[in-house]
Amino acid sequence: SYELTQPPSVSVSPGQTARITCSGDALPKQYAYWYQQKPGQAPVLVIYKDSERPSGIPERFSGSSSGTTVTLTISGVQAEDEADYYCQSADSSGTYGVFGTGTKVTVL
Amino acid sequence: QITLKESGPTLVKPTQTLTLTCTFSGFSLSTSGVGVGWIRQPPGKALEWLALIYWNDDKRYNPSLKSRLTLTKDTSKNQVVLTMTNMDPVDTATYYCAHTSTILGELSFDYWGQGTLVTVSS
Repeated sequence: SYELTQPPSVSVSPGQTARITCSGDALPKQYAYWYQQKPGQAPVLVIYKDSERPSGIPERFSGSSSGTTVTLTISGVQAEDEADYYCQSADSSGTYGVFGTGTKVTVL
Repeated sequence: QITLKESGPTLVKPTQTLTLTCTFSGFSLSTSGVGVGWIRQPPGKALEWLALIYWNDDKRYNPSLKSRLTLTKDTSKNQVVLTMTNMDPVDTATYYCAHTSTILGELSFDYWGQGTLVTVSS
């Protein structure tokens, strides 16, 4: 079945920029979504439809898309941004959803 | 505001059938475009998309688990029920239900329940 691939981990110093990639063959056809998950909590949607930000999500979170890769960018990283991040999309026909492998962001 | 809550057994034996109920408020599953889905997460592992049911009874399943999953909805009770047959220890996970809409798209989720941990063990 369809897979979305993310790097296992990203480390960044406070105030710097973190970039998390997600790769999948169907991404040129389907929108991508990004979720933040902190330990012991349910995921929170931080980006939808590649680059849209839900209300209440800080402006430092942004998304972009290029071909088979989408990217979540966290500008001016803060300690509270330390979490696991998952991309999510659908298969090429839009029949079922799929989550990425997940990326742990560590703020040094 | 939209809220969802999962309920069901915390412990099931191998080969048994798991039945989980998602009870929600703040929206109706009779409203065009609305859906409720299920996602699970084994301890220390990644999220896994399981299934989703829409207001019009359109159902989507993870193809890897489709033979074991069934979704039903009770609009009058604001509930969605997920059943998973032939449970195995590898199915031990936190199970989440979540809200979606066709406006949001791509079978994604904007509101999540708190999750419920299900352990499969004899």
